Amino acid sequence: AQSVSQHNHHVILSEAASLELGCNYSYGGTVNLFWYVQYPGQHLQLLLKYFSGDPLVKGIKGFEAEFIKSKFSFNLRKPSVQWSDTAEYFCAGRDNNDMRFGAGTRLTVKP
Amino acid sequence: EAQVTQNPRYLITVTGKKLTVTCSQNMNHEYMSWYRQDPGLGLRQIYYSMNVEVTDKGDVPEGYKVSRKEKRNFPLILESPSPNQTSLYFCASSLWPNQPQHFGDGTRLSIL
Repeated sequence: AQSVSQHNHHVILSEAASLELGCNYSYGGTVNLFWYVQYPGQHLQLLLKYFSGDPLVKGIKGFEAEFIKSKFSFNLRKPSVQWSDTAEYFCAGRDNNDMRFGAGTRLTVKP
Repeated sequence: EAQVTQNPRYLITVTGKKLTVTCSQNMNHEYMSWYRQDPGLGLRQIYYSMNVEVTDKGDVPEGYKVSRKEKRNFPLILESPSPNQTSLYFCASSLWPNQPQHFGDGTRLSIL
């Protein structure tokens, strides 16, 4: 079955550190990939998406992600994190008509 | 305001007592889906619907039913809930399946 996997379960960083969260997918065909963020006690919100074209996509709040087809990866990056980025981050991909999510990465940013 | 509304937000109930979690969206979206979120497992899709009267199983459909009689509503039904269905449930919708989804605020179910 197609799947999406996230490498890191919990990442702890200090403010201003750089962030990279890993995401790998196992789809063979056309991919639609997403990163969502879930702040404590809230629902998921879209950070960014990739459908086609430029493999470097920019999202909200200074996040970006790079689609590397040869590595089946779609890692999320941010050059300098803030305390307010503390949240859980989910990578997701579309497999035909259903969406598959990774297990999530909890990010804790220490002030 | 564009939104996905779920009710109830919290529910504690007992094994075997049928329950329904409602979901409604006001964006005229074609695609709706239900997920459960469990620690360490992320979100797993239960059912999805491409359009009115069109529903399909996701990854974990056992023990759940859905219906899509109107475009805006997509209720999740647990005919005979069991403790392993204790979880946080999210409804989501999008214009098409490949579009970003809008999520509801979640429903926390506890089955005793």
